[in-house]
Amino acid sequence: AQTVTQSQPEMSVQEAETVTLSCTYDTSESDYYLFWYKQPPSRQMILVIRQEAYKQQNATENRFSVNFQKAAKSFSLKISDSQLGDAAMYFCAYRSAVETSGSRLTFGEGTQLTVNP
Amino acid sequence: GEEVAQTPKHLVRGEGQKAKLYCAPIKGHSYVFWYQQVLKNEFKFLISFQNENVFDETGMPKERFSAKCLPNSPCSLEIQATKLEDSAVYFCASSLWSARFSNQPQHFGDGTRLSIL
Repeated sequence: AQTVTQSQPEMSVQEAETVTLSCTYDTSESDYYLFWYKQPPSRQMILVIRQEAYKQQNATENRFSVNFQKAAKSFSLKISDSQLGDAAMYFCAYRSAVETSGSRLTFGEGTQLTVNP
Repeated sequence: GEEVAQTPKHLVRGEGQKAKLYCAPIKGHSYVFWYQQVLKNEFKFLISFQNENVFDETGMPKERFSAKCLPNSPCSLEIQATKLEDSAVYFCASSLWSARFSNQPQHFGDGTRLSIL
């Protein structure tokens, strides 16, 4: 079974600064997908960014980028130019590629990000 | 619709009562997933459907939990004889099936907060 670990329960960053959230995972599969979801206090689950394991290039979405290290099974999220609206719980998630889009997500424990003005 | 719609937003039940939660997936999405988020933010996968067929039920506590996705009706998650430990936020998510692109993300509803008193 796959596991996802987020070792930072809480992180804080100053507005306009950069912060990196860590995520490691364990799997014996070679093909899979990784995601970062954001959950603000409203409890919505918002997809931030996704990465296909077969792609060497790191995914980027505006101010959000990942550092995907497949050999190390590491998938960190970098938020640049942090904004107050980035404050939320961030979850790292893994999905197997075996069953196309039908596979469950396995989530990490979450990292609570605080953005200080 | 364009969003995953979950009802009700909040449900309160006395211990031992039945609870029923509903989810309307995004139109055209073939997969539906149910997750339970407990107070420590941990996400637990419960069950998934491909159209009206159970796809993966390995996370489901079968003694009291049941779920259905019937044609032309919202999907439902029912808990019989609720216990205090069932208090959680229950999320429904849906995703598109694609023969060409298997990295379809799961889109989440806003969740139903179930409180067992």
